[in-house]
Amino acid sequence: NAGVTQTPKFRVLKTGQSMTLLCAQDMNHEYMYWYRQDPGMGLRLIHYSVGEGTTAKGEVPDGYNVSRLKKQNFLLGLESAAPSQTSVYFCASSYKDSNQPQHFGDGTRLSIL
Amino acid sequence: KQEVTQIPAALSVPEGENLVLNCSFTDSAIYNLQWFRQDPGKGLTSLLLIQSSQREQTSGRLNASLDKSSGRSTLYIAASQPGDSATYLCAVGGGGFKTIFGAGTRLFVKA
Repeated sequence: NAGVTQTPKFRVLKTGQSMTLLCAQDMNHEYMYWYRQDPGMGLRLIHYSVGEGTTAKGEVPDGYNVSRLKKQNFLLGLESAAPSQTSVYFCASSYKDSNQPQHFGDGTRLSIL
Repeated sequence: KQEVTQIPAALSVPEGENLVLNCSFTDSAIYNLQWFRQDPGKGLTSLLLIQSSQREQTSGRLNASLDKSSGRSTLYIAASQPGDSATYLCAVGGGGFKTIFGAGTRLFVKA
C-alpha cells in the first residue's frame, strides 16, 4: 500500500550542485505534480504531467526540469541549485478526472547552502 | 489572480470542542475545493473534496461547506480529539491544473 513514494527524504546541497528528486506512484494515475512548500505560504506548483512522455510548466518552473519517461515515475531535476530553492518538495498524483483528489508523498526536505 | 487565505494561522482548543476552520478565496469561478490534513514531516492527506455544484460534503466528524458567491468555505470538526492536531489546508481548483493552496491553519487540540 505504498501510494506515492519520494526519494530521497532529506538532502543538503551546495550552491551550483545538481540533483534529481524521484517520485513513484503505484496507483496507475495519469496525472502527476511537483510542488514546493515554503514557510507561511501555500504549496506552489512547479511542473506537472498529464501522462507518460508529457510535461508542462506550473506556477514556479524556473530553475527546475522534469521528465516522465514511465507512467509511474516523475522526476524533478535541479541543474544548478540556488539557496532560493531551499524548500520542501512534494510530489502528488491523481486520476484523469480533475474532481478526484490528489495523493501526496511525504516530501523531500532540500537545503541549499 | 486567485488568492486563498486561511485565518487564523494557528488555533488551540480543548478536547471535545466543536470547531470551525475558515478558508476564503477571491475568485468565485472555481472548479472544486479540497480540504487536506498535513501532519508534521508528512505529506497532505485529502479529507474532503467539494465540487463547484455542491454545497457541502461530510465524512465522519468532518463537514465542509462551500459558498462560492461569498468566496468562503468552512471545515467543521465535531468533538475534537488530540489526534486531530495537525495543519489543515484548503485548496481551490480553478480547472486546468490551477490548484491554489492556502497557507494552512495549525490546529492543536489539548487533552
